[in-house]
Amino acid sequence: SQKIEQNSEALNIQEGKTATLTCNYTNYSPAYLQWYRQDPGRGPVFLLLIRENEKEKRKERLKVTFDTTLKQSLFHITASQPADSATYLCAPRSGQNFVFGPGTRLSVLP
Amino acid sequence: NAGVMQNPRHLVRRRGQEARLRCSPMKGHSHVYWYRQLPEEGLKFMVYLQKENIIDESGMPKERFSAEFPKEGPSILRIQQVVRGDSAAYFCASSQETGSYNEQFFGPGTRLTVL
Repeated sequence: SQKIEQNSEALNIQEGKTATLTCNYTNYSPAYLQWYRQDPGRGPVFLLLIRENEKEKRKERLKVTFDTTLKQSLFHITASQPADSATYLCAPRSGQNFVFGPGTRLSVLP
Repeated sequence: NAGVMQNPRHLVRRRGQEARLRCSPMKGHSHVYWYRQLPEEGLKFMVYLQKENIIDESGMPKERFSAEFPKEGPSILRIQQVVRGDSAAYFCASSQETGSYNEQFFGPGTRLTVL
């Protein structure tokens, strides 16, 4: 069955450093992959999408990579700020597949 | 352009009662998705609907749960004879289309508490 794993439930980093979050999937081949941010008590918010034929995508301080051979996506936040503290969800998508990863809770310490 | 609206934001029910959760998608969106999130757990897909049609309900329990998206009005997620295990946050999302890279826009969620 399809499985999505995200590195560690929680990740603590110092302000100004780069945060790297990992998303691994097994038993399917997504055509694209989305990343969402979720703050406590709120619904997820879409951040970035990367297609299977794209290696890398950037948006301001965010960068996403997608390696279909490794079945992995990396999500980077450069020059991290306390306001980046949230849970980040990956969602590898294939057709009508609406599965989300369990999320990684990022805490950026001042 | 208002985002996805959900109401009520908080709902308290006693065991055995019915819970009705409403979702109004973003203007121009004809696809609605319902998810459930237990405390400290990930989002679990429940059901995907288009206007007047259930497209995929593979994540929805077969008993007590039902969903609809009528031609007019909001999408409704109905839980009959609620039990304590139904306590969770229920999120609705909408999109313009599916399978074509469209992002999902989420509502603020309805937090259901079953006493």
